[in-house]
Amino acid sequence: AQKVTQAQTEISVVEKEDVTLDCVYETRDTTYYLFWYKQPPSGELVFLIRRNSFDEQNEISGRYSWNFQKSTSSFNFTITASQVVDSAVYFCALSEVINDYKLSFGAGTTVTVRA
Amino acid sequence: DSGVTQTPKHLITATGQRVTLRCSPRSGDLSVYWYQQSLDQGLQFLIQYYNGEERAKGNILERFSAQQFPDLHSELNLSSLELGDSALYFCASSVGSRRTPTGELFFGEGSRLTVL
Repeated sequence: AQKVTQAQTEISVVEKEDVTLDCVYETRDTTYYLFWYKQPPSGELVFLIRRNSFDEQNEISGRYSWNFQKSTSSFNFTITASQVVDSAVYFCALSEVINDYKLSFGAGTTVTVRA
Repeated sequence: DSGVTQTPKHLITATGQRVTLRCSPRSGDLSVYWYQQSLDQGLQFLIQYYNGEERAKGNILERFSAQQFPDLHSELNLSSLELGDSALYFCASSVGSRRTPTGELFFGEGSRLTVL
């Protein structure tokens, strides 16, 4: 069963628009962590944000913000005022204690920001 | 810079051959994870080692094997290569199970394998 679902395959926006990426996860664990990683065209995986299962407080970090809702098992990620450099594939990932913190990745959402 | 080093960055080889990918984890990290990223399968967990011992196996083929050495570096061996093995292979490290407060994995830049 897919643990992490990113329903959006591709999103294209014009610079300065906001972009929201959806992520739905599935776990039986009570302690888990959720992540967003960015993979730019150069290929490396860059850590963006992390949230643990005990803290549903939503925060903003620069142009990034996230909305974590345990009731709907969702962990959505928003880029505010997008820039061309934000063009990348974004992965949502789940890390479970019962699985020794192995990351289960979603399929990724390709974000294209046009100038 | 994540502190995880992978070599080689790029590798081109022929079908039927064998290659070894190397990973040096961050200083102090005991766990090493290998992931494969291919176009059709996405990011797939292959195998995890913790302090030299295999901890978990994912979707790793029998033609593939890995090990973690006493100095904690790890190698992923891919043999009898097929066209479909062409992928980006990532290594990640973390402090270790149950002592990792955040579950964060740090990824290397990946080794891009092309099988012709």
